[in-house]
Amino acid sequence: DGGITQSPKYLFRKEGQNVTLSCEQNLNHDAMYWYRQDPGQGLRLIYYSQIVNDFQKGDIAEGYSVSREKKESFPLTVTSAQKNPTAFYLCASSIANNQPQHFGDGTRLSIL
Amino acid sequence: AQKITQTQPGMFVQEKEAVTLDCTYDTSDQSYGLFWYKQPSSGEMIFLIYQGSYDEQNATEGRYSLNFQKARKSANLVISASQLGDSAMYFCAMDISGGSYIPTFGRGTSLIVHP
Repeated sequence: DGGITQSPKYLFRKEGQNVTLSCEQNLNHDAMYWYRQDPGQGLRLIYYSQIVNDFQKGDIAEGYSVSREKKESFPLTVTSAQKNPTAFYLCASSIANNQPQHFGDGTRLSIL
Repeated sequence: AQKITQTQPGMFVQEKEAVTLDCTYDTSDQSYGLFWYKQPSSGEMIFLIYQGSYDEQNATEGRYSLNFQKARKSANLVISASQLGDSAMYFCAMDISGGSYIPTFGRGTSLIVHP
């Protein structure tokens, strides 16, 4: 079955540590996205990528980094510069922009 | 910049009744898409329905329909014959066709279906 796989489901970060969230899709979608969701809030876009080797900042890119070396993969690194990283992170993909997005099950990141 | 407003933090409905979830949007672009997603307590986001800005007919998908009023910039979701499994958060979202863009989501509406 085609879909998006995010791992891990739960992640804990120590002070000063970088952590990487994995996102893999086998839907052959060109566009991929990373969102952050805080309790009681909607989704805020961190980064998005429309093609391999290209990505753009979203609304809240500070303290995060991404890469898009393969069409299937769009990992997100939460750096130590992100001072409030505790949130639910969702990865999504779509055939193109202005098309429905397919989401992974999310990763919950907490601070130790 | 585009903006999505969902004014109902929470809604309650009796099982088997219909419910309308409100969504208004703001954009200066002429070509855009409007989406509704469902987020159960487990966290995954599920696409429900899509309406393009040039579509003249309101979109329908099973028990879901989108009441699109372009002049009023509203895109309300109507769920007919509510089921207990419809209890979830519902998010309205907008995307712009072509060029650089940032998909925009509303803050969501929590729907609880009572037996």
